Amino acid sequence: SQQGEEDPQALSIQEGENATMNCSYKTSINNLQWYRQNSGRGLVHLILIRSNEREKHSGRLRVTLDTSKKSSSLLITASRAADTASYFCATPSGGYNKLIFGAGTRLAVHP
Amino acid sequence: NAGVMQNPRHLVRRRGQEARLRCSPMKGHSHVYWYRQLPEEGLKFMVYLQKENIIDESGMPKERFSAEFPKEGPSILRIQQVVRGDSAAYFCASSPGLRTRPSYEQYFGPGTRLTVT
Repeated sequence: SQQGEEDPQALSIQEGENATMNCSYKTSINNLQWYRQNSGRGLVHLILIRSNEREKHSGRLRVTLDTSKKSSSLLITASRAADTASYFCATPSGGYNKLIFGAGTRLAVHP
Repeated sequence: NAGVMQNPRHLVRRRGQEARLRCSPMKGHSHVYWYRQLPEEGLKFMVYLQKENIIDESGMPKERFSAEFPKEGPSILRIQQVVRGDSAAYFCASSPGLRTRPSYEQYFGPGTRLTVT
């Protein structure tokens, strides 16, 4: 079964607005990662947050982690058309860092 | 430092043929992961390999699928007697491993899009 589940499944916003995506997971983790995938391309690692961190920033990205609720959120501020992509959360599993991905949030940013 | 390379980028096979997908990890990376992505879905783990060893193949279908990572050369994902349901994007990722330094980040290749007709 899926470890991570994102919501919403799809999000459509205007340039300049903020986009918030959420991810829930089921088992204990030592970190959670967010990836971006442009249409027809591979995945790009965005940010990793460890289980002992509550919030992390990288440029226009802000990630939060609530281990008590087993949830994380990704906020993209001042969105741009180039942010249009699918965003996935992933958690390592099995002691070997194999990643378990959610189904993703498809973000469309309109100029 | 070249990234993870996969070839071919697109592969068309007729039902019953064999598909061979190749993955060259980033330089210095000794750990390779294969994932499969169906349309509109997230990636699903298939297999984790180190040089000459399969570490975890819990996500591999029991039949027709095999993977290897030889001492020399790329990692190969092999699908025998392909069926339409095998049509998907197959991604390879590599990481430096767990012993050299803590590295949870995986670096993904561009994927091979397999179409079975």
